[in-house]
Amino acid sequence: LAKTTQPISMDSYEGQEVNITCSHNNIATNDYITWYQQFPSQGPRFIIQGYKTKVTNEVASLFIPADRKSSTLSLPRVSLSDTAVYYCLVGGFSGGYNKLIFGAGTRLAVHP
Amino acid sequence: DAGVIQSPRHEVTEMGQEVTLRCKPISGHNSLFWYRQTMMRGLELLIYFNNNVPIDDSGMPEDRFSAKMPNASFSTLKIQPSEPRDSAVYFCASSVGTGKETQYFGPGTRLLVL
Repeated sequence: LAKTTQPISMDSYEGQEVNITCSHNNIATNDYITWYQQFPSQGPRFIIQGYKTKVTNEVASLFIPADRKSSTLSLPRVSLSDTAVYYCLVGGFSGGYNKLIFGAGTRLAVHP
Repeated sequence: DAGVIQSPRHEVTEMGQEVTLRCKPISGHNSLFWYRQTMMRGLELLIYFNNNVPIDDSGMPEDRFSAKMPNASFSTLKIQPSEPRDSAVYFCASSVGTGKETQYFGPGTRLLVL
């Protein structure tokens, strides 16, 4: 299973765009890239998933270059409520079944 | 629709006691996952079931841990006997299918073993 590397922490201010980059050099052909968000005292919540190029939903955008060895989660105009831990996952067929390996995540702090 | 339901939300017990955590997945989901989260080790996958069958239990730390899924709407994670190092937040998640599908997490059970 591919290992992911992302910054331990990031700081931003309200209204700014935040980009969190994740590297996954050993990503396999059939692996998807998924991002989860976790608030304190809550379970992780799915944000976005992609395979290649760009994916956008109402919450975020995900940019994946052609070699797929990295990906960037983009959060437009963050607010204080976006303060959370963001996990980049590359899953992961193990024996034909999905296996998500959560790394340490990136702690994003949004300041007023 | 109700999300993943876990009970209890908090559990405090003494070392050596049996602890049972419960999970009700989202209706229609056929995969269920148990995770443990600690500050030191982060979020770890313990076991997952597909169609009520345990598929991968390689993350279960010791024989003291066991999990069952008697039907599609209920699963338990049992620790017997419990130890202080088992203190953590235990999450249950469910999803549809077996591949890249989104996992929906419950609120977690915060376990403290004294």
